[in-house]
Amino acid sequence: DADVTQTPRNRITKTGKRIMLECSQTKGHDRMYWYRQDPGLGLRLIYYSFDVKDINKGEISDGYSVSRQAQAKFSLSLESAIPNQTALYFCATSAADSPLHFGNGTRLTVT
Amino acid sequence: GEDVEQSLFLSVREGDSSVINCTYTDSSSTYLYWYKQEPGAGLQLLTYIFSNMDMKQDQRLTVLLNKKDKHLSLRIADTQTGDSAIYFCAVVTGANNLFFGTGTRLTVIP
Repeated sequence: DADVTQTPRNRITKTGKRIMLECSQTKGHDRMYWYRQDPGLGLRLIYYSFDVKDINKGEISDGYSVSRQAQAKFSLSLESAIPNQTALYFCATSAADSPLHFGNGTRLTVT
Repeated sequence: GEDVEQSLFLSVREGDSSVINCTYTDSSSTYLYWYKQEPGAGLQLLTYIFSNMDMKQDQRLTVLLNKKDKHLSLRIADTQTGDSAIYFCAVVTGANNLFFGTGTRLTVIP
């Protein structure tokens, strides 16, 4: 969905490095989310934000932090990357009581 | 939290119907979604059903909901090779949280 843009598309980093994944949207949605996808585990929620001043932990927030810089921007940081954070990361947006719209994902590899 | 289960794999022949199943545990679920993920892409909303409905049809797609058994299915008629993808069931609980299934990888054999 081109309305939700994630950068970078692919990233390889070393253990212990700090990295940031960025997400921006043009849909005008208040709600933004970060998920990770692992084979056989589906999507798991890391953090979500219902507006600029609202940040909430999801199911698997340990090792991650987020920043909602503006209504349209929501970034995910890994403070000190570890190999088991190798995964596909998705940003999503929604209006209240509406389906989620996803970006195309960032494939992160931690060596 | 909610438990949403799907089979991991399904193979069908081109032209046959595909049925992808999903079970969930929260009886207060309000909305139920089906998403499609093609290789290298994000999840695309295919269709959805409200919990007060039993069935929804949209061209080749039919969604069936059995609330008593907490069972949701997606039927794709006349399956084409372009339907090969991973299909995710997602359920909104009464507490307004969204949970995804593990995804079913559909392979269409020409």
